[in-house]
Amino acid sequence: QSVLTQPPSASGTPGQRVTISCSGSSSNIGSNYVYWYQQLPGTAPKLLIYRNNQRPSGVPDRFSGSKSGTSASLAISGLRSEDEADYYCAAWDDSLSGQVVFGGGTKLTVL
Amino acid sequence: EVQLVESGGGLVQPGGSLRLSCAASGFTFSSYAMSWVRQAPGKGLEWVSAISGSGGSTYYADSVKGRFTISRDNSKNTLYLQMNSLRAEDTAVYYCAKGNYGDYFAWDVWGKGTTVTVSS
Repeated sequence: QSVLTQPPSASGTPGQRVTISCSGSSSNIGSNYVYWYQQLPGTAPKLLIYRNNQRPSGVPDRFSGSKSGTSASLAISGLRSEDEADYYCAAWDDSLSGQVVFGGGTKLTVL
Repeated sequence: EVQLVESGGGLVQPGGSLRLSCAASGFTFSSYAMSWVRQAPGKGLEWVSAISGSGGSTYYADSVKGRFTISRDNSKNTLYLQMNSLRAEDTAVYYCAKGNYGDYFAWDVWGKGTTVTVSS
């Protein structure tokens, strides 16, 4: 059971806009930054969004992140076949001695 | 080219020990916090540990605290993870990752991972 809650799956057709949600609590998303990672099959994860809504250089502006209260979202617009991957949200959690917590991941299928 | 290469994985019996290494190149290693992140077979990502650029600050997941030790040798551009008292649930691919943007957890560079299997 992951501390952050993501839907296990999402889907969309090419060109569509999809959003992936990430729900947490006051000790993690509610008080700390959210990060989003993309993992293509058989490869290491890739940073998509850091500090809630910042995109590293090289990440297309089709990817955007937002946060409100204890929830966060990753939006992908102009969906492309190469976006088919697993997506994970992460945040620092202040509870106990503190640690990074992940969502369980969302498998995005491009139909 | 910025690169991270993990090594040291393998098959170990429950209760055993293993030391993972992560060789860094292409950037000023001592300027960046580093982390270990693992992924059990068919499962999601799990953060394991982090260390500051100087090595003076370390952080651990509750699941490994007291059993794993993260360290770094900035003269050798190498990150380590000493894993003791290994359990079956530690079986995973272990990735090292570089923090960027002044943020411990904005991992912008990852290695390809090294596989640890804990089994008798």
